[in-house]
Amino acid sequence: DIQMTQSPASLSASVGETVTITCRASGNIHNYLAWYQQKQGKSPQLLVYNAKTLADGVPSRFSGSGSGTQYSLKINSLQPEDFGSYYCQHFWSTPPFTFGSGTKLEIK
Amino acid sequence: EVQLQQSGAELVKPGASVKLSCTASGFNIKDTYMHWVKQRPEQGLEWIGRIDPANGNTKYDPKFQGKATITADTSSNTAYLQLSSLTSEDTAVYYCARYGYGFDYWGQGTTLTVSS
Repeated sequence: DIQMTQSPASLSASVGETVTITCRASGNIHNYLAWYQQKQGKSPQLLVYNAKTLADGVPSRFSGSGSGTQYSLKINSLQPEDFGSYYCQHFWSTPPFTFGSGTKLEIK
Repeated sequence: EVQLQQSGAELVKPGASVKLSCTASGFNIKDTYMHWVKQRPEQGLEWIGRIDPANGNTKYDPKFQGKATITADTSSNTAYLQLSSLTSEDTAVYYCARYGYGFDYWGQGTTLTVSS
């Protein structure tokens, strides 16, 4: 089974800053990676799929990159609505489709 | 409009079982996989398992084998998650989600509380 290691666990940043969250897979997941944002008390929302493709309606300040076992989510020019938790998830081959442990992005 | 409507909050006693539902609208569940995800209070997301409603085939994370059973009723466009032998460790919010290059639609979540 593929394991996902996400870092950092928490991140404090100011509005306007740029932040990067990373996920490392325990094996090659061939870009079958998604990123989600979750606000407190709400369902997660899809941000990026296939490692680099933005989901419908996601602002262009979000971008996904990576290949093989290493992937990143970058948020340029942080906005107040970007604060919350972020998760990666792989979809390579067969289940289980494990999530990363999450990154909590807070206002500095 | 695609929507996933989940059943209401449950309070159940330890040792009991519970069946949660997820009714889809705006698409046919036979055309995709339906998944279930667990989130314990202040914790991360855990993938439980999925079903292919077209044929009933299921896959589970090994951690949930024996604990969770996923079924689907295509006539009502509904997916179900049954949890058995409940303990306090099962207290969590449970989400259903549709697979569409990632989980593109999620239910609103069902809060399950296991307490005597």
